[in-house]
This record gives sequence, structure tokens and C-alpha cells, in this order.
Amino acid sequence: NAGVTQTPKFQVLKTGQSMTLQCAQDMNHNSMYWYRQDPGMGLRLIYYSASEGTTDKGEVPNGYNVSRLNKREFSLRLESAAPSQTSVYFCASSGQPGEFSYEQYFGPGTRLTVT
Amino acid sequence: AQKITQTQPGMFVQEKEAVTLDCTYDTSDPSYGLFWYKQPSSGEMIFLIYQGSYDQQNATEGRYSLNFQKARKSANLVISASQLGDSAMYFCAMIPLTGGGADGLTFGKGTHLIIQP
Repeated sequence: NAGVTQTPKFQVLKTGQSMTLQCAQDMNHNSMYWYRQDPGMGLRLIYYSASEGTTDKGEVPNGYNVSRLNKREFSLRLESAAPSQTSVYFCASSGQPGEFSYEQYFGPGTRLTVT
Repeated sequence: AQKITQTQPGMFVQEKEAVTLDCTYDTSDPSYGLFWYKQPSSGEMIFLIYQGSYDQQNATEGRYSLNFQKARKSANLVISASQLGDSAMYFCAMIPLTGGGADGLTFGKGTHLIIQP
């Protein structure tokens, strides 16, 4: 199993450009999440999808959109990138049907720089 | 809303000593889960240990144990017999369970642990 995969690993954007971060999991998890990590801030929740077909805002959703494409895939879109969105982005998943485990499994992260 | 406070930005510990990393939390949810994650310099997030608010016993996973004091709202991580490979950032996190546990995690700002030989 690959677990949680993210593409790309690194990206540099100019202010105003758009891009989509891709995330996929092969653990049959119901829930998926997007976090950002800034220096000294820990991880903060951007959006999450508790189950296929649903998405909800987290703590810092402004400037982002998400799509739960199917049970495996959850993408994060920046429509018009700003320097304040320079960060490391982590995707995570949790919740295998029939199991009472709340552990979230994280992808390797995407380091995004907006100039 | 939940809040996690980690008051130790950095710690230096001698190899083989035990380490306690502090975590206090605040929540209005009657049922919640507490986590510790390790982030080495390579950047990945590694799950260490989980404690449910209604669990009667403190969680243990190998050299890791969680000292859960519900009345004090604290969930300290204890690492026994520290090793050089334990040097990393450590994050405390929590999740409300009243909605089925599918909400996102709330993280603290982390503690940078350095193990010295």
C-alpha cells in the first residue's frame, strides 16, 4: 500500500497564478483532510471531507477550494495564489469502515512558494 | 472550539534520559481524542500515540506513554530511555468525537526536542 500520496512535492507560483494540489489514499478511508503548516504555527485545518460527497471548511479556508473527486481522491485548489499561501501543505486520511480508529495518516507534504 | 497549548518551544535532553513533553487542552466537547505526532527534520508526520477521553487507562506504545490527567486537561507525552533518533518536532493534537471523529485535528505549536549524546 502506498498510503497517502501527494503531488507535486514542490511548487513555485507567481502571485495570481492558480494550481491544484492532488491527494490520493489507498486505505479505503472515509475521511480526508487538508492542512497547512507555517513556521511556528503547527498544522492548521483548511478543509475536510468526512465522507465521499461532503466537504466542510476548517480553520483557514479563505483562498482555497476543494473537491472530493471520489473516495480515494481529495484535491485542493488555489484560484489566485498569494504570498501568504506560501506554506507546506499536508493531506491526511482516516476512518476505515468498521474500525474505531481516529488516527489520521499523513502524506509527505507539498512545499509551495508564492513569489 | 478546541485549543492545544504546548508551552515548551524547545528542549535539550541527554541520551537515555526520560523526557516529558507538556500538553494542555481546552474543549467543550464531552468526548474527544488526544494524539501525539512526531515530525523529524525530513518533514513527515508520524503517529505516536492516542488517548480517548473516556479511556480508563493511560495509553502506552513501546517507549511512549501518555500521562492523561482529565481534571487538569493535560495530556503529556513521556518518552522513556531517549535515543538520538528521537530528536524531532513533537505535536500534540485533539479531535472532538461527538461528530463521529471525522472532524479535523487541532494541533499545538509543537516542541522541538533535541537529544544530546
